[in-house]
Amino acid sequence: GAVVSQHPSRVICKSGTSVKIECRSLDFQATTMFWYRQFPKQSLMLMATSNEGSKATYEQGVEKDKFLINHASLTLSTLTVTSAHPEDSSFYICSAKNRGTEAFFGQGTRLTVV
Amino acid sequence: AQKVTQAQTEISVVEKEDVTLDCVYETRDTTYYLFWYKQPPSGELVFLIRRNSFDEQNEISGRYSWNFQKSTSSFNFTITASQVVDSAVYFCALSEGLIQGAQKLVFGQGTRLTINP
Repeated sequence: GAVVSQHPSRVICKSGTSVKIECRSLDFQATTMFWYRQFPKQSLMLMATSNEGSKATYEQGVEKDKFLINHASLTLSTLTVTSAHPEDSSFYICSAKNRGTEAFFGQGTRLTVV
Repeated sequence: AQKVTQAQTEISVVEKEDVTLDCVYETRDTTYYLFWYKQPPSGELVFLIRRNSFDEQNEISGRYSWNFQKSTSSFNFTITASQVVDSAVYFCALSEGLIQGAQKLVFGQGTRLTINP
């Protein structure tokens, strides 16, 4: 199957700083990428949908100014958690798809804000 | 609105037992996809199966089998002769829209499966 690479796999940052997470489709062009968040022992919740070259669509309750999503190319989307706080500590996972195909997931990023 | 319910939060069985993970979904659409994913402790999501709403045939893949019943809006997953390596959290998920393929997913709460030696 197609490969989606997410980086970093783990990151620890200080409260108030910003963290960038990358999601890359390695062997296909991803017209759409999805960002999910998973709190410990909970399910995955969709945060936003990004289409290449256009603004991301955020789910209800997700602050677009706090979670900046950029999908500037067909193989890369980034999620930047701005002014991170301990409550933002979570597992963030992306998925990528091309038109007509299923979505493939990255390995996920475990963010810890201290 | 879409909703996926996995009523079993945790299941623990002894190795070699068969185990079934339940999944019930709600959607107003007549066209949709159903999925099962496995999430081991490392966190990544491992794709297991995708089924579209027009295909009610049950599927078997090795020790895994899936029972899709539209009449009861269920998509249950059975592991036969379970092994310790099957221990993980399993998620059932739903997406709507067939024309452009799978769109955003709505996940169930997950079932934590523990296989004891």
